[in-house]
Amino acid sequence: QITLKESGPTLVKPTQTLTLTCTFSGFSLSTSGVGVGWIRQPPGKALEWLALIYWNDDKRYSPSLKSRLTITKDTSKNQVVLTMTNMDPVDTATYYCAHFFGSSSFFGYWGQGTLVTVSS
Amino acid sequence: QSALTQPASVSGSPGQSITISCTGTSSDVGGYNYVSWYQQHPGKAPKLMIYDVSNRPSGVSNRFSGSKSGNTASLTISGLQAEDEADYYCSSYTSSSTLIFGTGTKVTVL
Repeated sequence: QITLKESGPTLVKPTQTLTLTCTFSGFSLSTSGVGVGWIRQPPGKALEWLALIYWNDDKRYSPSLKSRLTITKDTSKNQVVLTMTNMDPVDTATYYCAHFFGSSSFFGYWGQGTLVTVSS
Repeated sequence: QSALTQPASVSGSPGQSITISCTGTSSDVGGYNYVSWYQQHPGKAPKLMIYDVSNRPSGVSNRFSGSKSGNTASLTISGLQAEDEADYYCSSYTSSSTLIFGTGTKVTVL
């Protein structure tokens, strides 16, 4: 049974750096073809893909946010961490992490999401 | 990269069939058979409904089907039911080895 859960601050101030942790179980991020991605959704708006890390430590980022994002993994802890710098109120959103099937490029399992509000 | 284009809303009566389109370019939808579809009910996480254009994961009703023609992918829901009322998003792999989501479609069951 694959599960993922996001954790991190619910409120950050403008210009601060956001750090989110995805803790998962039921799979290993050292298995060939597997990845973990981050997706966000502002209130009432569409999903937006942010970043992806593969089993081999290959990393991919949204072109529009690449300069602000860093994704890392700790295979031994079954965790993936996303950092986003220079937060702005427009970054207020629910942030999801999800298990990624690299061979077919889809997210098969999602976390419940965590709402992050950016406000002073 | 711009989001894939979906109609903002689609509606149908119970029992009817509806189709949601997802239009991209030859650099994403048209270039790869890596189109997936997600269903999202209010306040819930998205759920995978279709992958690889037309494959259904185990447990997803066969009332959901996917297809692709050129740069446009489609999700068809047949025998529409009240529980199908939700937001639907398409997604595609891109030539930049990134991913992209669609603008989302709200499905209303009349």
